[in-house]
Amino acid sequence: DAKTTQPPSMDCAEGRAANLPCNHSTISGNEYVYWYRQIHSQGPQYIIHGLKNNETNEMASLIITEDRKSSTLILPHATLRDTAVYYCIVSAATNAGKSTFGDGTTLTVKP
Amino acid sequence: NAGVMQNPRHLVRRRGQEARLRCSPMKGHSHVYWYRQLPEEGLKFMVYLQKENIIDESGMPKERFSAEFPKEGPSILRIQQVVRGDSAAYFCASSPDIQGTEAFFGQGTRLTVV
Repeated sequence: DAKTTQPPSMDCAEGRAANLPCNHSTISGNEYVYWYRQIHSQGPQYIIHGLKNNETNEMASLIITEDRKSSTLILPHATLRDTAVYYCIVSAATNAGKSTFGDGTTLTVKP
Repeated sequence: NAGVMQNPRHLVRRRGQEARLRCSPMKGHSHVYWYRQLPEEGLKFMVYLQKENIIDESGMPKERFSAEFPKEGPSILRIQQVVRGDSAAYFCASSPDIQGTEAFFGQGTRLTVV
């Protein structure tokens, strides 16, 4: 799996958009970009994933650059419950669950 | 549709005992993945299984650890002769046999070796 690089921590004001960047410059053509988050010590929660097009669901939006070397996860209106460690992962299409989790970004949403 | 179910949620074992962790994947999912998370560390991939087959066990310790996913029943992660260093949260994830889909994680089993 390609390696990803994320900032170790970020703060965001409650109600504002949280934009979490991720670099994955060695991503290969058959690898998807996945985002998960882990709240405290619960199981990782799936957020969103994409191949090359931007994606949006009820939780977040995923913006992938045209060269696919980086992406941004956007939480449009962050709440205190969005405080968590956010993991950006690239994984082959054939085995979505086999991933290399890095250290992620600890997002702290502040009132 | 129930999510990925892991049991027990908490497990205490004495050094030298065996630990058996169970994972029932989501309905319709035939791929199972096990991860370990040591205290204050990130998730580390251990093993990837499909029904009755181990696909990738590159993250499994060479000794004492084994995993299976039988035709019927849950996937089992088995740790023999546990040591204090095995204390961790063990997470299971599952995905369907469809390319480009996501995997879903269970709530984990927290193993404490005393």
